[in-house]
Amino acid sequence: DVKVTQSSRYLVKRTGEKVFLECVQDMDHENMFWYRQDPGLGLRLIYFSYDVKMKEKGDIPEGYSVSREKKERFSLILESASTNQTSMYLCASSSGASQPQHFGDGTRLSIL
Amino acid sequence: AQSVAQPEDQVNVAEGNPLTVKCTYSVSGNPYLFWYVQYPNRGLQFLLKYITGDNLVKGSYGFEAEFNKSQTSFHLKKPSALVSDSALYFCAVRRGADGLTFGKGTHLIIQP
Repeated sequence: DVKVTQSSRYLVKRTGEKVFLECVQDMDHENMFWYRQDPGLGLRLIYFSYDVKMKEKGDIPEGYSVSREKKERFSLILESASTNQTSMYLCASSSGASQPQHFGDGTRLSIL
Repeated sequence: AQSVAQPEDQVNVAEGNPLTVKCTYSVSGNPYLFWYVQYPNRGLQFLLKYITGDNLVKGSYGFEAEFNKSQTSFHLKKPSALVSDSALYFCAVRRGADGLTFGKGTHLIIQP
């Protein structure tokens, strides 16, 4: 089974901090994604990556950046955390556009 | 641009009755459609997908979905609901190679 592991289930940070969310997948998938999930809004795509060192903006990239130095690892960075970034963050990976995405269990991030 | 609509925030069904969770989509070209389920404090789990072929798609846990091109719908169905089916369900459409566009989700509540 594909396993996507997010480093933290719950995280509390303060406004202005630089925050790192880590995601690792064990199936050698090319594609990796970061979404945020908010009640009533569903999931919204923040960034995605086709390959190592490649990244593309999704629908809501403002205030975020990403890093993919190794194929299995995709990091989401909040450059200067703000309270409106309090949310559930979900990482996913897939082997191709027509294939299912496999999700981690999410990181519930609170910015105080 | 692709979009997905889930018109019901919540669906209530008695255990043993058939269930339907509705989804309509808007895409240019042929749609690649997916259903996912999310249990509390967990990531999304893949249920089924439609790429091409038979309009009735069978998936995990006894779920199936019916693709209707003329009505641009992809409703999720199950002949006999279980209490354990209670969860949050998401319909999604592929957005090129750029991940998925999700609906806002439907809470399914199965009453004993």
